[in-house]
Amino acid sequence: SAVISQKPSRDICQRGTSLTIQCQVDSQVTMMFWYRQQPGQSLTLIATANQGSEATYESGFVIDKFPISRPNLTFSTLTVSNMSPEDSSIYLCSVEEGSDTQYFGPGTRLTVL
Amino acid sequence: QKEVEQDPGPLSVPEGAIVSLNCTYSNSAFQYFMWYRQYSRKGPELLMYTYSSGNKEDGRFTAQVDKSSKYISLFIRDSQPSDSATYLCAMKGTRAGRRALTFGSGTRLQVQP
Repeated sequence: SAVISQKPSRDICQRGTSLTIQCQVDSQVTMMFWYRQQPGQSLTLIATANQGSEATYESGFVIDKFPISRPNLTFSTLTVSNMSPEDSSIYLCSVEEGSDTQYFGPGTRLTVL
Repeated sequence: QKEVEQDPGPLSVPEGAIVSLNCTYSNSAFQYFMWYRQYSRKGPELLMYTYSSGNKEDGRFTAQVDKSSKYISLFIRDSQPSDSATYLCAMKGTRAGRRALTFGSGTRLQVQP
C-alpha cells in the first residue's frame, strides 16, 4: 500500500491566520482526497483533488476557505484560510489505490485559538 | 437520516471475547465496503475490504456484507487489548461513480485485559 506523510503533524494557530498542510505519497496516484475529522466525529470529505484539474468541493466547503493544490501525482496541499476556532479538527489526506481502496495519512491536528 | 449508521459505543469486552461491529446503510448504489481501525491520534488504517455481498476472512477478522439487508459487519475473534480503538465502516459506489468514501460515525471498542 502507498505510504503517505503529512506536514505538519500538529499546529496551534491564531484566529484569522492561514495554515497550509502538505501531503506526500511515495508513489504516483491519480486521486487524492482531503477529509476533516472534528473532535469525536467521523470523517467528512472536503474535496477531491485530481492532478491537472481543479479540485471538486463538497457541499459546505468552498475554494476560498480551503484552497487546494495538486501540482503532481505525488503531492497535494490543503490551506485552511482565515481560521476560526470552529476549524479545529484533524485534517487527513487519502489516496485511492487500485481503484477500490483508500489509504490515509497520519493526519494534521489543528487547534485554532 | 445519515447514509451510513453506526453505533458509536463505547463497546467494552473482556480479552478473548468475540466482538461484533455493525453498520447499516441506505444507499443501494454502494458496492465497496471497508473497515478502518483508528487508534487515538492516528490516521485510519485499512483493515478489511469487501466488494458486493459475501464474507471475507483475514486472521482474527471477518467482514460480512448483506446487500439485501443493507447491513455490514466486522467480527473480531479472540479480541486483544491492542484491538482497543475506534472502528469505522466506509463504503462507496461503482468505479464510474463517486470515488470518495462515505463513513459511519465509528464505534469505540475497549478490550479489557
